[in-house]
Amino acid sequence: EVQLVESGGGLAQPGGSLRLSCAASGFSFGDHWMTWVRQAPGRGLEWVASIKKDGSEKQYEDSVKGRFTISRDNAKKTVNLQMNSLRVEDTAVFYCARRQRGWDAIDIWGQGTMVAVSS
Amino acid sequence: DIQMTQSPSSLSASVGDRVTITCRASQNVNSYINWYQQKPGRAPKLLIFAASSVHGGAPPRFSGGSLGTDFTLTIFNLQPEDFATYYCQQSYSSPHTFGQGTKLEIK
Repeated sequence: EVQLVESGGGLAQPGGSLRLSCAASGFSFGDHWMTWVRQAPGRGLEWVASIKKDGSEKQYEDSVKGRFTISRDNAKKTVNLQMNSLRVEDTAVFYCARRQRGWDAIDIWGQGTMVAVSS
Repeated sequence: DIQMTQSPSSLSASVGDRVTITCRASQNVNSYINWYQQKPGRAPKLLIFAASSVHGGAPPRFSGGSLGTDFTLTIFNLQPEDFATYYCQQSYSSPHTFGQGTKLEIK
């Protein structure tokens, strides 16, 4: 079964850090770009970051540049999101997601992990 | 960045109706338009990619179309399980921006 399972969410203080992990199974992980998408409570979807198949290219949404770092380990089939200098407005459900080859739509989503930033 | 303007933000309809949701891109996205369905508390699901290609597993009553920089998602013969929130997304240029969402409610 094709599956993405996130972990690492929780409560952090403003200015703090969290590291999200996503474990992939059931597909050839190294053949796909991977993405993180977030959704603040009661709000819409927001693309956060993506990483190329071999990790050589990384893309970030402007508000997280310099604070978040996406990485991957193809041998372990994991993708991570290191989040530093967290802000209250980073509070959201974070989804790990697979980009399909070709048209780059997101065809597989994890169940999501909640990140709450509050003092 | 490419802005995606989705309309309407909410819509009421009845079972059996046909509804259309529109998404306008602020610049050319060359048919790299995707549509997702999300139900409360659940991850989104891909319905349509490449503007008009139905993703495997999505019912055929979902149809995508385009006219220039305007893109549409049409749902024919609404079923009870279709009441959800729908999002468009462009995957032509990074950042792969989403529309604001359309909440489809039962009339």
